[in-house]
Order: sequence, then C-alpha cells, then structure tokens
Amino acid sequence: QQPVQSPQAVILREGEDAVINCSSSKALYSVHWYRQKHGEAPVFLMILLKGGEQKGHEKISASFNEKKQQSSLYLTASQLSYSGTYFCGTDSGNTPLVFGKGTRLSVIA
Amino acid sequence: DSGVTQTPKHLITATGQRVTLRCSPRSGDLSVYWYQQSLDQGLQFLIQYYNGEERAKGNILERFSAQQFPDLHSELNLSSLELGDSALYFCASSVGVWDPQHFGDGTRLSIL
Repeated sequence: QQPVQSPQAVILREGEDAVINCSSSKALYSVHWYRQKHGEAPVFLMILLKGGEQKGHEKISASFNEKKQQSSLYLTASQLSYSGTYFCGTDSGNTPLVFGKGTRLSVIA
Repeated sequence: DSGVTQTPKHLITATGQRVTLRCSPRSGDLSVYWYQQSLDQGLQFLIQYYNGEERAKGNILERFSAQQFPDLHSELNLSSLELGDSALYFCASSVGVWDPQHFGDGTRLSIL
C-alpha cells in the first residue's frame, strides 16, 4: 500500500527548515528517501532500518519510528539546491519498495 | 552519473505500436527495476529482476513485458501502445534487493 507523504508541497526561503513526513499503514522494515530535481532522475539520499535509527546527509537528516510506521526527513538551513521533489519508499519486508506521491519542495532566495 | 544507462532517451510513436526500452545496470548490480512516472505522479513500480530472474511484479499491464539477460542488461517491451502509456520510464539498479537504487536518466515515451 502506498505510503502517504505530507505536506504535498512546501515553499521555503533560503535558510529555513522543513520537515517532510512519510506514513504507512503497514509494518515497515525500512524506509528509503530519494530526491528528484525537475527533469532529472531520482537520487538516493538515505536508508533507515527499523530500530528508530536517525541518519544524516549534510544538513539533511531523517528518523524512523517503526512503532508508528512513520519516517520524517529534516532539512535544516535550506539551500537553493535542495529544491526538488522528495519521495519516500517503504519496504514491508520481502516486497519491492512502494513510493509515496512525493513532496515538492521549492527554496527561494 | 549514476552508472545506469537507458536508451533511447526519447521515443515518439503512434498508438498500436510496439517499442523496446533498454537498460544497462551499474557494474556489479544484480537487481534491476522498472518504473513508470506520469506527469506529476510518483514512481509506479512495474517489475523487478534479480540476477536474471523475475523477482517481483507491480502494476504492470499485460501489454508490457520485460526480461533480464545473462549480461544483466534488461529490456522493457511495451505493445499495443495507448495514449495513456505516454510517460517517463525509469530503470534503476542495486547491488542487492534492498540496497539503494540508482536510477538511469529515463526514457521519455510520447504516444501520438
């Protein structure tokens, strides 16, 4: 079942923070995050495994709450280069990733 | 550069026709995935192969088929094309089944 991402879209000024949420109705083994810039292919950001692990990638970090079947992506001090659509992909164990519909992030000067 | 190569980059054809999309995975990756992305839509999983064998199927139409060859490259065949098949088709590859996926640049298919 497709995870639900929120918000659908967000506009930030440079330097502001944002949180993107990903929620599933199924028990999750892992959550994957990808970013796709306009006209380009999705690019892998990070994987979070069950266990409440938090990971970071420059100023982008994420958490995974397996009990709530939720993951959140945190973008701090956003830069223009962060603009794009962020997808979470959920893995319920022995199944292919199911991607959410994406969150469109626009960072303006 | 993700290391995943997709050809062709663009394809324009007519309804009722058949096309083949090609994907060469990153060196060392055994798993290949095919996705369809329509305008403003997410990534719809079509099919996955692992080391030459079909591993999982998503919402793939019966008019669509795929295979992975011994050299690990993969082809997605789309037949009896309809206007609604117009989309961006991505191939991705990964080392193992649940490892990070690396996407090719996609093939943009336009049906006239």
